[in-house]
Amino acid sequence: DAKTTQPNSMESNEEEPVHLPCNHSTISGTDYIHWYRQLPSQGPEYVIHGLTSNVNNRMASLAIAEDRKSSTLILHRATLRDAAVYYCILKETSGSRLTFGEGTQLTVNP
Amino acid sequence: NAGVMQNPRHLVRRRGQEARLRCSPMKGHSHVYWYRQLPEEGLKFMVYLQKENIIDESGMPKERFSAEFPKEGPSILRIQQVVRGDSAAYFCASSLSYYGLADTQYFGPGTRLTVL
Repeated sequence: DAKTTQPNSMESNEEEPVHLPCNHSTISGTDYIHWYRQLPSQGPEYVIHGLTSNVNNRMASLAIAEDRKSSTLILHRATLRDAAVYYCILKETSGSRLTFGEGTQLTVNP
Repeated sequence: NAGVMQNPRHLVRRRGQEARLRCSPMKGHSHVYWYRQLPEEGLKFMVYLQKENIIDESGMPKERFSAEFPKEGPSILRIQQVVRGDSAAYFCASSLSYYGLADTQYFGPGTRLTVL
């Protein structure tokens, strides 16, 4: 599985945008970029995923670099409920497993 | 539309007993995955099943662990003769398919196993 690199932790203030970076320089052409988050004592929650183009959904936006070697998860207005560990995961088109790294612990300050 | 359901949410077993963890996938989903999260560690893939078939069990410990997903009923992760090192949170996920955009995995709330 291709490897991703994320900062261990980030802080944000409530109602401000948050940009969570992820580097994946060894990404292959068939890898999708998935983002999950895990709130304390809960199961992982799907956030968003994409292949080449930027993606938006009700939770977040995903900006993918033109060379696909990095991506950024954007939370447009952070809330206290967004405090979680965010995982950036590369997944093969028809692969089965998700390989979780250490992720980024996001702290949201009131 | 109910999400992935897991039960029990908390399970306490003594060393040597058996643990059975159940997972009901989202409606319409026929692909099930099990992951384990040891204390202070990351999530690790264990096994991937479709109805009546084990597709990928490369993450399963070689002994004492087994999984099934029968034609009817929930998927079961079974741990025989539990040891203290089995204490962890076990998460189940399901997906509509294994390919492309339909392979997004949705997770349940987990079963927290404590071995005394």
